[in-house]
Amino acid sequence: GQQLNQSPQSMFIQEGEDVSMNCTSSSIFNTWLWYKQEPGEGPVLLIALYKAGELTSNGRLTAQFGITRKDSFLNISASIPSDVGIYFCAGQLFKAAGNKLTFGGGTRVLVKP
Amino acid sequence: NAGVTQTPKFRVLKTGQSMTLLCAQDMNHEYMYWYRQDPGMGLRLIHYSVGEGTTAKGEVPDGYNVSRLKKQNFLLGLESAAPSQTSVYFCASSLRGGGETQYFGPGTRLLVL
Repeated sequence: GQQLNQSPQSMFIQEGEDVSMNCTSSSIFNTWLWYKQEPGEGPVLLIALYKAGELTSNGRLTAQFGITRKDSFLNISASIPSDVGIYFCAGQLFKAAGNKLTFGGGTRVLVKP
Repeated sequence: NAGVTQTPKFRVLKTGQSMTLLCAQDMNHEYMYWYRQDPGMGLRLIHYSVGEGTTAKGEVPDGYNVSRLKKQNFLLGLESAAPSQTSVYFCASSLRGGGETQYFGPGTRLLVL
């Protein structure tokens, strides 16, 4: 099946820093999604991308749908402590059976000690 | 609106025992999903339903059964639990398919000894 490789697996942030993470796929998707999961909670949708090349922002978050449709990145600007959590990318094919999402392995964002 | 709720929050089972996880949504969504989340592997789809009375297999259906007798509820059953089923289980729902946003519940943590 399709695989999504998400990197880095984990990162430390310092308040005020910009951080980036990305996701690559072995095949194309029609939709890219970015979710955030906090401890003890389910994933919450941050940004949805529907068109190759699309660049979309949600507050301090910016995500882009790669032009090849096989990758996406998420950028967090001016990070703050509450940005800590696990960020997941997910890809979806148009009219996929059951609206199926394929998830990356997640990027764990931690605060620098 | 409570959104998507899951019960129980946490459960410990012995190998061979059975149990049912309950998911409920109050958003009148047609589609419902069960995922499992394991470290470093993102979320993988177990089963899904595109409407009341219908179910279909996802990516990792073996060892699980589901039922959707009422539109608002989606049950996940383990007939004979195995240690490999130790995981965090998430339920999600979406209004319909075609790229509609999936909303996740808070998860059920299951430990099989």
